[in-house]
Amino acid sequence: ETGVTQSPTHLIKTRGQQVTLRCSSQSGHNTVSWYQQALGQGPQFIFQYYREEENGRGNFPPRFSGLQFPNYSSELNVNALELDDSALYLCASSFLRLRDAKNIQYFGAGTRLSVL
Amino acid sequence: GQQVMQIPQYQHVQEGEDFTTYCNSSTTLSNIQWYKQRPGGHPVFLIQLVKSGEVKKQKRLTFQFGEAKKNSSLHITATQTTDVGTYFCAGPRGSGGGADGLTFGKGTHLIIQP
Repeated sequence: ETGVTQSPTHLIKTRGQQVTLRCSSQSGHNTVSWYQQALGQGPQFIFQYYREEENGRGNFPPRFSGLQFPNYSSELNVNALELDDSALYLCASSFLRLRDAKNIQYFGAGTRLSVL
Repeated sequence: GQQVMQIPQYQHVQEGEDFTTYCNSSTTLSNIQWYKQRPGGHPVFLIQLVKSGEVKKQKRLTFQFGEAKKNSSLHITATQTTDVGTYFCAGPRGSGGGADGLTFGKGTHLIIQP
């Protein structure tokens, strides 16, 4: 067990709706990253938060947004859902050491989002 | 942008045979990480390589980082059914060594036939 928990585990939405996914980081970690994983593919980096600030963003449109809270838990918000947003959304926490950029990801079990 | 490519996409082996997956980057990497994802599960960290030409072993798993730090490999000796899953390599997204996130390859799916 990684100590990273995500909720909900499954979610069904319709096109155009908005969704919020939640993640609780492992105790002692200061960084949370979100990934989108389509079936049979590798995790695609959405963004990363370090000490409540976004410090990296992948090739995702602005309708994907996030927050990291003082207790290092995090939310991923997706507006105007599209059919292609159907995927497994993974949250990963880490203890980022800037002096050597050690950034080992500890993943949660994910949220399976289906957009109809 | 930086790309991380893995081959093969799928590998079928008989139990007891060896398995190797290869990872290639379009840019020089400061480090590379390997993860394993079991069917229906989430990626689990295996190892990080940092030095040029580095070789690390974990029981039957051998990890290598190329001299030019643009490629890496994972070799499993005498596969077992517990090795089933998808193996991903991941490199830093930018020049920050991974401080601003990781880029994952598409993975190699290992299927073992008893």
